[in-house]
Amino acid sequence: GAVVSQHPSRVICKSGTSVKIECRSLDFQATTMFWYRQFPKQSLMLMATSNEGSKATYEQGVEKDKFLINHASLTLSTLTVTSAHPEDSSFYICSASAPDGDQETQYFGPGTRLLVL
Amino acid sequence: SQQGEEDPQALSIQEGENATMNCSYKTSINNLQWYRQNSGRGLVHLILIRSNEREKHSGRLRVTLDTSKKSSSLLITASRAADTASYFCADSGAGSYQLTFGKGTKLSVIP
Repeated sequence: GAVVSQHPSRVICKSGTSVKIECRSLDFQATTMFWYRQFPKQSLMLMATSNEGSKATYEQGVEKDKFLINHASLTLSTLTVTSAHPEDSSFYICSASAPDGDQETQYFGPGTRLLVL
Repeated sequence: SQQGEEDPQALSIQEGENATMNCSYKTSINNLQWYRQNSGRGLVHLILIRSNEREKHSGRLRVTLDTSKKSSSLLITASRAADTASYFCADSGAGSYQLTFGKGTKLSVIP
């Protein structure tokens, strides 16, 4: 149980285009979904927190108009990188939280590698 | 926000040996979690330890938590080549489900 999928797993696009990444919790309804970015050989940096039916909460320094998040249902969140530039090239990982007793555990997707040319 | 800091940054051991990774954090936590990441892949949840717990076991994994020192350790016993990966700790503050990740330890287990 507690499987999270991401699509696509890898995408190459031209500078200026927009890219949509989907995150789905396959066998559970997620309380909250999170979007992270990871640069090579670095740790994960939280970009935004997403709750179904409400606006995402963005971390400081993350442009909400550039990284559009739509949380359409309890099992689906999408991240759209608008007008992508080479510096947006990174590994984007989503997670979905689920109750684990009295705690919440985050289950991570396999990640999406974005390369902007 | 808090940030877990792991040490060592990189660890290379022989198969069969034990591997110990440490993590520190800065403020009070609700829980601390350890994750594994194989190269270019997503994260796999290994274990969660609550702030009122001191030690937890799961298979070959043993996690300790010392809230007085704001530190945690992950011990992998009888390591295998398949344990080769990066290991991250992540802390969750009181009243928050957000995780703050440390920089990770890259473990290499040599067959």
